[in-house]
Amino acid sequence: DIQMTQSPSTLSASVGDRVTITCRASQSINTWLAWYQQKPGKAPKLLIYKASTLESGVPSRFSGSGSGTEFTLTISSLQPDDCATYYCQQHKSYSYTFGQGTKLEIK
Amino acid sequence: EVQLVESGGGLVQPGGSLRLSCAASGFTFSSYSMNWVRQAPGKGLEWVSYISSSSSTIYYTDSVKGRFTISRDNAKNALYLQLNSLRDEDTAVYYCAKCGFDVYFDYWGQGSLVTVSS
Repeated sequence: DIQMTQSPSTLSASVGDRVTITCRASQSINTWLAWYQQKPGKAPKLLIYKASTLESGVPSRFSGSGSGTEFTLTISSLQPDDCATYYCQQHKSYSYTFGQGTKLEIK
Repeated sequence: EVQLVESGGGLVQPGGSLRLSCAASGFTFSSYSMNWVRQAPGKGLEWVSYISSSSSTIYYTDSVKGRFTISRDNAKNALYLQLNSLRDEDTAVYYCAKCGFDVYFDYWGQGSLVTVSS
């Protein structure tokens, strides 16, 4: 099975900061990677799929990049509403594994 | 508007059974693959099971193989998960999730809590 590892596990940043979260795959997944945002008590929300395609309705301050085994989610200018936990997920093959999550806090 | 509404969760003893349902609306249910994803209390997301639009392809994560069964009824726009031989570690919120053009999850239900405890 493909393992997904996110870093950091927690992140604290200020409003207006540029924030980057990294996701690494244990083997190449080409660009078959999605990113989700989850707020406490809520279902996850899709942000990005196929590594860099922004889901409809998601603010343009979110962007994704990478291919192979290393990927990044970038928030260009952090907003208070972005306080959440972020997950990556490989959609290359069965087991469709998630990363362990990155909790983003606002300073 | 796409809506996914889960039901059927609750408290069950170890070794017991439960059936989760997911009622879908706002899209052509029979055209899309569907999934169940779970989240144990305070933990991350775990994909559980996948079913293709015609039910011809089904996958399970290793830890539930032989115990859980996914199914769907396209005439009723409904997705199901039969949970048997439940264990403490199956305690989680179970989400119904629709596939996009590939196996990522573009719409999620609100979740249904399954608690396995004696």
